[in-house]
Amino acid sequence: QVQLQESGPGLVKPSETLSLTCTVSGYSISSGYYWVWIRQTPGEGLEWIATISHRGDSYYNPSLKSRVTISVDTPENQFFLQLRSVTAADTALYYCARYVFGDGSCYFDLWGQGTLVTVSS
Amino acid sequence: QSALTQPRSVSGSPGQSVTISCAGTSSDVGGYNYVSWYQQHPGKAPKLIIYDVTKRPSGVPDRFSGSKSGNTASLTISGLQAEDDADYYCSSYAGTNTPFGTGTKVTVL
Repeated sequence: QVQLQESGPGLVKPSETLSLTCTVSGYSISSGYYWVWIRQTPGEGLEWIATISHRGDSYYNPSLKSRVTISVDTPENQFFLQLRSVTAADTALYYCARYVFGDGSCYFDLWGQGTLVTVSS
Repeated sequence: QSALTQPRSVSGSPGQSVTISCAGTSSDVGGYNYVSWYQQHPGKAPKLIIYDVTKRPSGVPDRFSGSKSGNTASLTISGLQAEDDADYYCSSYAGTNTPFGTGTKVTVL
């Protein structure tokens, strides 16, 4: 079955760049769908960060757009998140997910298990 | 873009029904039939239980149902069961954003 797995450093220093990878298995990213990053904090709940299509079209949460880049490597079946100039407020559980959008539908149907990233010196 | 508004908590006894509201605006919930609902147990990733306002993915029990009126969507759990004790989040397409709800803790008494 299709699975998503996040990976990356669990600790990032303030002002540095947070970099995460989502590895997809059981489905080829190049075949379709959209792919997203979402984060969750106790205080703010779930927050959509960014979306990328299999063609590389990207969309960003307006509140994070200036600091975020989402990218995809279809041969490796991975997509990535970079969040620059992080602060303690970026400490969160980061999820990658598959996004169904089109043909009259819009929803996140598959999620990774999540990876905790703490911003601290 | 503000988060969609949900009640912080709801509770019910086994067998009862509970309804969770998800209040948005005409720019999100009211503007599109793209409301989805997610169930999250502690330490687990969210799981899709309702999409496109009323549709249920394969494998989701039919005691979960969704609806929408104006700018407010609702999730109803009929015949509450112990395993329904979890957090629930709504989400809606909103053009340039995809906001989530503030989350509701459902407690099965």
